[in-house]
Amino acid sequence: GQQVMQIPQYQHVQEGEDFTTYCNSSTTLSNIQWYKQRPGGHPVFLIQLVKSGEVKKQKRLTFQFGEAKKNSSLHITATQTTDVGTYFCARNTDKLIFGTGTRLQVFP
Amino acid sequence: GAVVSQHPSWVICKSGTSVKIECRSLDFQATTMFWYRQFPKQSLMLMATSNEGSKATYEQGVEKDKFLINHASLTLSTLTVTSAHPEDSSFYICSASPGLAGQQFFGPGTRLTVL
Repeated sequence: GQQVMQIPQYQHVQEGEDFTTYCNSSTTLSNIQWYKQRPGGHPVFLIQLVKSGEVKKQKRLTFQFGEAKKNSSLHITATQTTDVGTYFCARNTDKLIFGTGTRLQVFP
Repeated sequence: GAVVSQHPSWVICKSGTSVKIECRSLDFQATTMFWYRQFPKQSLMLMATSNEGSKATYEQGVEKDKFLINHASLTLSTLTVTSAHPEDSSFYICSASPGLAGQQFFGPGTRLTVL
């Protein structure tokens, strides 16, 4: 299937710094979902974006869906150690195809 | 609500044996369940889509005779890894969908180690 690419693969930040992960698809997406997976855990649904140019916020997290619906981003403001984990985007049709993921490490 | 359980949470077995993993939706009926495999530091790869009362749909490259899926009820799907080998060692995660808005709810995963 057409995998969704994410960059960066890894990101190490100091607590308090911002973090952004980008999700890119070669084809137009009907919608995009974002998940967080803590080390040793399972993916937890964060949000779904559907509309072109959509921006949604959840506290310190800001999610964007590109105008062309081929890319998306997740931005975390002022990271905390609790933000540690791997963030996946996933394209959703009749099944979820996960992106390659971005692993975030936050140093206190 | 929307809780999905998996059993067992971890299993260690000898090469050549078969292992069954259960996935249950505890508080909703799941017309569709999905099985994923995740190797260390990698993304989740969809193995198959399981529909209640019908045969599973396997993704390309996944051997249906090795990974047997049964979805006998609206709350239970099972994955049996037959004749497991060390290369089958992985984190197996199921998810269930009540069919609304495409959201999937994930189980806690089963870590399989084949010696």
